[in-house]
Amino acid sequence: EPEVTQTPSHQVTQMGQEVILRCVPISNHLYFYWYRQILGQKVEFLVSFYNNEISEKSEIFDDQFSVERPDGSNFTLKIRSTKLEDSAMYFCASSGGIGQGHSGNTIYFGEGSWLTVV
Amino acid sequence: AQTVTQSQPEMSVQEAETVTLSCTYDTSESDYYLFWYKQPPSRQMILVIRQEAYKQQNATENRFSVNFQKAAKSFSLKISDSQLGDAAMYFCAYRKSGNQFYFGTGTSLTVIP
Repeated sequence: EPEVTQTPSHQVTQMGQEVILRCVPISNHLYFYWYRQILGQKVEFLVSFYNNEISEKSEIFDDQFSVERPDGSNFTLKIRSTKLEDSAMYFCASSGGIGQGHSGNTIYFGEGSWLTVV
Repeated sequence: AQTVTQSQPEMSVQEAETVTLSCTYDTSESDYYLFWYKQPPSRQMILVIRQEAYKQQNATENRFSVNFQKAAKSFSLKISDSQLGDAAMYFCAYRKSGNQFYFGTGTSLTVIP
């Protein structure tokens, strides 16, 4: 079964450093997402991306965050200047369109990138 | 306003017994999708079961089934014959006609041997 892949699985970075988290969504999917989960808390929406632009973003997704789909297969999340409170599991996800059957209407998650800011 | 509510932060069940996790949601739409995701200690988000709102029949996947009450906006998950491997955090999720998914705060399920 196709899957969403993420790299790295775990990254430790110093406060103030830039971090790029990478994702390869399922190939025929149209919508791409980043979610965040701070340890012990719920899954929080960061941003959704469709047709090469951000379609929706949350209050968490401030100016220090950016997303990019540089080459038609990768989908990246950049955090420009990390803060201690950015420590979390970051999930990439993708889904198809509503008309694409079960695969289309379901969101599939990668295994997550665990970011630790020290 | 909270779109998806899971009122049980923690639940426990004896191995081989049945447990029901509750979820309610708020929507004014008639066509939408509902999901249950499982997050084991590995923290991967795994799809357990999904339900299309236009279908009256409750979805079933092996030991997992749902009780979908559209008028009450309720979507509970029943796990039958609970196994130790079912221990995890369970998240209810809702997708409306657009591309946005909303998640509940999760229910932590403990399975007692």
